[in-house]
Amino acid sequence: DVKVTQSSRYLVKRTGEKVFLECVQDMDHENMFWYRQDPGLGLRLIYFSYDVKMKEKGDIPEGYSVSREKKERFSLILESASTNQTSMYLCASSLNGRGGNEQFFGPGTRLTVL
Amino acid sequence: AQSVTQPDIHITVSEGASLELRCNYSYGATPYLFWYVQSPGQGLQLLLKYFSGDTLVQGIKGFEAEFKRSQSSFNLRKPSVHWSDAAEYFCAVAPNTNAGKSTFGDGTTLTVKP
Repeated sequence: DVKVTQSSRYLVKRTGEKVFLECVQDMDHENMFWYRQDPGLGLRLIYFSYDVKMKEKGDIPEGYSVSREKKERFSLILESASTNQTSMYLCASSLNGRGGNEQFFGPGTRLTVL
Repeated sequence: AQSVTQPDIHITVSEGASLELRCNYSYGATPYLFWYVQSPGQGLQLLLKYFSGDTLVQGIKGFEAEFKRSQSSFNLRKPSVHWSDAAEYFCAVAPNTNAGKSTFGDGTTLTVKP
């Protein structure tokens, strides 16, 4: 089974802090994704990566950056956390760039910024 | 660009009753279509997917979905709902290209009454 793990289930940070969310997948998938999930807004794509060191902006990249130094690991960085970044963050991976490949999701990180 | 609409934000059914969750998509050609389920506190899990061929697709946990090109719909159904089906359900669409990005609907929350 594909396993996608996220470094924390719950995280509390202060405004202005730099925040790192880590995601690791164990199935050699090419694509990895970061979403945020807010009530009534579904899943919104922040960034995705289709190869090591490659990244592409999603629908809501402002205030975020990402890093993919190794194929299995995809990090989401909040350079200066703000209260409007309080949300559930979901990481996902898929086999490759073909649109028909399903995404496998991690359990999520619920981030609260105070 | 593709888009997905899930018209029902919240649905309540009695245990043992049948279920239909609606999904409408917008895309210039036949896309890839998915239904995912998210149980409380969990990431998303794939229920089923449609690529081509038979328009009635069987998934896990007794779910099925029917692709109707003329209505641009991909509705999810289950003949008899169990209490454990209470969750949030997401419809997603991906282009039939090598882009690999899915667009998710806003989700439908299912409550099951005893």
